[in-house]
Amino acid sequence: GAVVSQHPSRVICKSGTSVKIECRSLDFQATTMFWYRQFPKQSLMLMATSNEGSKATYEQGVEKDKFLINHASLTLSTLTVTSAHPEDSSFYICSAVGGGYYNEQFFGPGTRLTVL
Amino acid sequence: AQSVAQPEDQVNVAEGNPLTVKCTYSVSGNPYLFWYVQYPNRGLQFLLKYITGDNLVKGSYGFEAEFNKSQTSFHLKKPSALVSDSALYFCAVRDPTTGQGGKLIFGQGTELSVKP
Repeated sequence: GAVVSQHPSRVICKSGTSVKIECRSLDFQATTMFWYRQFPKQSLMLMATSNEGSKATYEQGVEKDKFLINHASLTLSTLTVTSAHPEDSSFYICSAVGGGYYNEQFFGPGTRLTVL
Repeated sequence: AQSVAQPEDQVNVAEGNPLTVKCTYSVSGNPYLFWYVQYPNRGLQFLLKYITGDNLVKGSYGFEAEFNKSQTSFHLKKPSALVSDSALYFCAVRDPTTGQGGKLIFGQGTELSVKP
């Protein structure tokens, strides 16, 4: 199956700083990537859908200026949490679709963000 | 609107006993249905999917699920549970009209606990 990686796996930052999370498809070209947010023992909340070379589509209620998404290549999408605050602390997961793997999303291992 | 429901927050079974994790869905048209498993602080791992064909779908780690159109259900089952099956399980649906890059809609998640 296809492999998706995320970096970093864990990050701790001070309030007011920006944090960048990378999502990479390692062995296939991802035409679409998704970014999710998950609170402890809760479901995944879709934040945005990212297509290579175009602007991300954000879900209702997600601040696009707060959560910057860039999908510059077919193997890399980044999520930048700008001016992070403690309420942004969460588990962020990306997934990718593409490479001939139809009808299936492949998920990254997640990034635990803690904002102090 | 598409939706997925997992009516049980938690399922407890004894090791060696059969397990069932329930999922019902609401979607217009033919659904694409998925089961994922999540271990603590990890991303989602794909278990199985139903797209078309045989209603009984076999997946990874001995899991299977039965698509029941009349009951709009897609319950996950395993004949003999293992302690290592203890994890958070998510059912998801994708609207096939949205194409390969379509969003997944997740259920609330069910925590499975298998005791020795």
